[in-house]
Amino acid sequence: DSGVTQTPKHLITATGQRVTLRCSPRSGDLSVYWYQQSLDQGLQFLIQYYNGEERAKGNILERFSAQQFPDLHSELNLSSLELGDSALYFCASSGVTSGPRVGTGELFFGEGSRLTVL
Amino acid sequence: QQPVQSPQAVILREGEDAVINCSSSKALYSVHWYRQKHGEAPIFLMILLKGGEQKGHDKISASFNEKKQQSSLYLTASQLSYSGTYFCGTERRNYGQNFVFGPGTRLSVLP
Repeated sequence: DSGVTQTPKHLITATGQRVTLRCSPRSGDLSVYWYQQSLDQGLQFLIQYYNGEERAKGNILERFSAQQFPDLHSELNLSSLELGDSALYFCASSGVTSGPRVGTGELFFGEGSRLTVL
Repeated sequence: QQPVQSPQAVILREGEDAVINCSSSKALYSVHWYRQKHGEAPIFLMILLKGGEQKGHDKISASFNEKKQQSSLYLTASQLSYSGTYFCGTERRNYGQNFVFGPGTRLSVLP
C-alpha cells in the first residue's frame, strides 16, 4: 500500500461527457503529480501541484484541468471526452529528499483510475 | 523534455545481466528508476542525486553521470520477478520542478 488513494478505480463513460478523478496523497506529501498512461505506453506527465499551487505543466490538453485543495487532495477534471482519452490515469505524491542536495523524493503512486470512453 | 531510454526492449534468460540506459539533452538534477508490472502502479527502485553517485540493493544497481547527463540501471543475475517495464524519471532544476519519465524499457526474463 503506497498510501496514495485514487478514486474511482474504473470509469466507463461516453464521448462528450465530463469526469472527475480524485487523488488523496500520502500523509505529509505536499507534491501531487498526474500522469496519463495509454495502453502499453509510457507515463505522460500532465501536471504537478505543490501545496495547493500549480508547479509544473506537461502535455495537458485544454479540455483537462486540475486543482489541489487546502487538505492537499487533488482532482483531475476531464471534459468533452474523446475516444483517445481512454487510459490509465495515475496520481503520485512525493516529499523531498533529505541531505545536502534537496530534490524530488520518491514518487508514491496510487493504483490508478482506468477510464474507458465509448 | 522527455529523457531517452535504450534499449526499448530486452529479453533475458534467468541469471543473465542487463543494462538499461537513460539520457537527456538537458542538464539533470536527479534521476529516479521505477519498475512497472503490467496493469500495476510503478514501484520506486532508487534515486540518484549527485553526479557520479552509484546506488544498489540486492542485484539491481544504478549510476549517474551528471556531466554526460545520463544514468544506467544494472540488473545482474536476473530473476523472473525482474520482468516488467523500467522507467527512468528525471528532474531538472530551474525548470519548475518538472519531473518526467522516459518512454520505458520492457524487460522480459524467461526461465
